[in-house]
Amino acid sequence: DTEVTQTPKHLVMGMTNKKSLKCEQHMGHRAMYWYKQKAKKPPELMFVYSYEKLSINESVPSRFSPECPNSSLLNLHLHALQPEDSALYLCASSQGSGGASNQPQHFGDGTRLSIL
Amino acid sequence: AQKITQTQPGMFVQEKEAVTLDCTYDTSDPSYGLFWYKQPSSGEMIFLIYQGSYDQQNATEGRYSLNFQKARKSANLVISASQLGDSAMYFCAMREGSRAGGTSYGKLTFGQGTILTVHP
Repeated sequence: DTEVTQTPKHLVMGMTNKKSLKCEQHMGHRAMYWYKQKAKKPPELMFVYSYEKLSINESVPSRFSPECPNSSLLNLHLHALQPEDSALYLCASSQGSGGASNQPQHFGDGTRLSIL
Repeated sequence: AQKITQTQPGMFVQEKEAVTLDCTYDTSDPSYGLFWYKQPSSGEMIFLIYQGSYDQQNATEGRYSLNFQKARKSANLVISASQLGDSAMYFCAMREGSRAGGTSYGKLTFGQGTILTVHP
């Protein structure tokens, strides 16, 4: 079992729907991350939150909207997605957020998202 | 230019044998960290092992060891006594140190991955 919990595990939605992905960690980590991963490809960083503030947005389209309500929770709000947004969405957390820290990022199981 | 290069798209190994997965990296930052992750078909990314740029010794974690050759900028993962459950995608990743202003925020750069298949 991972220490980063993501819900739902699977999500199918239409292009006009609004849905949210949720991520929770109780390791006291202060950095949280969203990644998008296509099949047989490496994860691509989308957003980084450090101490509940958005630190990095990797030029992600506005149809993806991250939210960090508190230090344990990270949401990704989805609206008007496109078929090419179908992917595995991974959440991760780490103890520190800067520098060459030896603290690894711990990942959740991911949400498999399909856009119809 | 790619910062992390994994040149083996796929590798095959017999159960109980050792296998080496290659990883080379490129950075001008003297402070960096190298990580290996395992991703089974279920999707979870599992942290395996870490090597810091200033570490004098190669990292080891159980059956996993990292062959760190700093001058050659390589950080190969060695899995000893392969098991069927080791079949997965393996990613090498690098985190570079903070530059002025400390804006790296722990960003990981991943290689393209190597699919390892362990045969019985």
